Formats: sequence, structure tokens, C-alpha cells
Amino acid sequence: AQSVTQLGSHVSVSEGALVLLRCNYSSSVPPYLFWYVQYPNQGLQLLLKYTTGATLVKGINGFEAEFKKSETSFHLTKPSAHMSDAAEYFCAVTLDRGSTLGRLYFGRGTQLTVWP
Amino acid sequence: DAGITQSPRHKVTETGTPVTLRCHQTENHRYMYWYRQDPGHGLRLIHYSYGVKDTDKGEVSDGYSVSRSKTEDFLLTLESATSSQTSVYFCAIRVGGTEFLYEQFFGPGTRLTVL
Repeated sequence: AQSVTQLGSHVSVSEGALVLLRCNYSSSVPPYLFWYVQYPNQGLQLLLKYTTGATLVKGINGFEAEFKKSETSFHLTKPSAHMSDAAEYFCAVTLDRGSTLGRLYFGRGTQLTVWP
Repeated sequence: DAGITQSPRHKVTETGTPVTLRCHQTENHRYMYWYRQDPGHGLRLIHYSYGVKDTDKGEVSDGYSVSRSKTEDFLLTLESATSSQTSVYFCAIRVGGTEFLYEQFFGPGTRLTVL
């Protein structure tokens, strides 16, 4: 069963437009949630994470995400896209937050294209 | 920078040959992971380690084995490479402490092509 679903494998926006990348998870208990970014030919870099506390989390490069338990969602947003935001974005969850193993389950990724 | 290096960074090999990929970390973190990345599949966990000589299988472990004889090195071996194992392989470590709870840091990746 897919634990993390990213809606839309490709998203295109114009420079300056709102970026919205969707992530939904399936879990009986609130997981820890992460967004990673991957630039071409590089490894993954953490953008932001939600563990506990405030449900709106801010990350690097102007990105933020809101954990909505009722919707089992953790969508990533940025008010104004920049050309440098073009990359692949991955949502990930830890389902076994009571375990020390800390396994991450990744979504299939969303490729963001930014048009000038 | 979590001090993670992977070697080799690129490798082309033939079907049936053994291949070993190395992940090296410089900060003595306990938890290490091997993932493979394929288009349309995201990252999938192959194996992970929670200490020296302590390893376990992930969701796509068939055809792979791992070893960890030292804290700093986590080796991934394809005993007999197949074309379906053509992929980009990432190593990751998990930093301990409450500040980095469950956060993983990734290496630069190894692009493996099996002909």
C-alpha cells in the first residue's frame, strides 16, 4: 500500500506564480513529515519537516508546508516561483515514530518546471 | 554537510558480474540506509543498518546484500548484477538527537548501469 501519494508527477508554473505541490499520506497515527528537493545530478536536500507543534512549517528558499491531520495532507507551497526552484520534490513520512529505526517512505516525486 | 561520500560515482558493468558500492561517513552516525531511485518510483529502501554488523532488509532487498564491519562504512553488493538493477543508488545517514529527529542526510549518489 502506498503510504505517501504525491498528486501530479509534473507541475509547471511561470516565474513569480504560486507553487503548490501536493502530498497526502496514509497512516493511523500522525507521522513525521518531510519535503526534500533534488536538483539535477545531485542528492536530496531537506527543505522542511514537521514533527510536532506548529502545523505550518517554514523551510529553506521560501518554501512552507502545512500539516492538516483532518485531510492527511502536507502540501508544499511557495508564494512566488523562481527559476532556481526548478527541481524534483519528494514528500516523505516516518510511519514508525515510536521506533528508533526511523525508516522514511517516499512519494514518487513531482518535477517542478518554472517558465520565464 | 553530513560528511557522506559514495564510491564509485558512476559505474557501467555487465549482467552477471558482482558489484560493490561503498558509502562512507565521517561522523560516526549509527543509522545508515541504502536507497535506489528510479523514474516514477521515488526512492525505495533496499537495506539499512542500525550499528556495526546490525542490518535489515528494506522493501526492495532481493538481489542485494549489505555489510557493515565499521561504523563509517556501509557496503551494498549486487552479487550478480541484472539490467533491472540499473538505477541511481543513494546512501543516507540519520543524525541522532531530538533536533534532527528522523531526519536523513543523503550522499551524492552512484549511477549504475548494467548492460
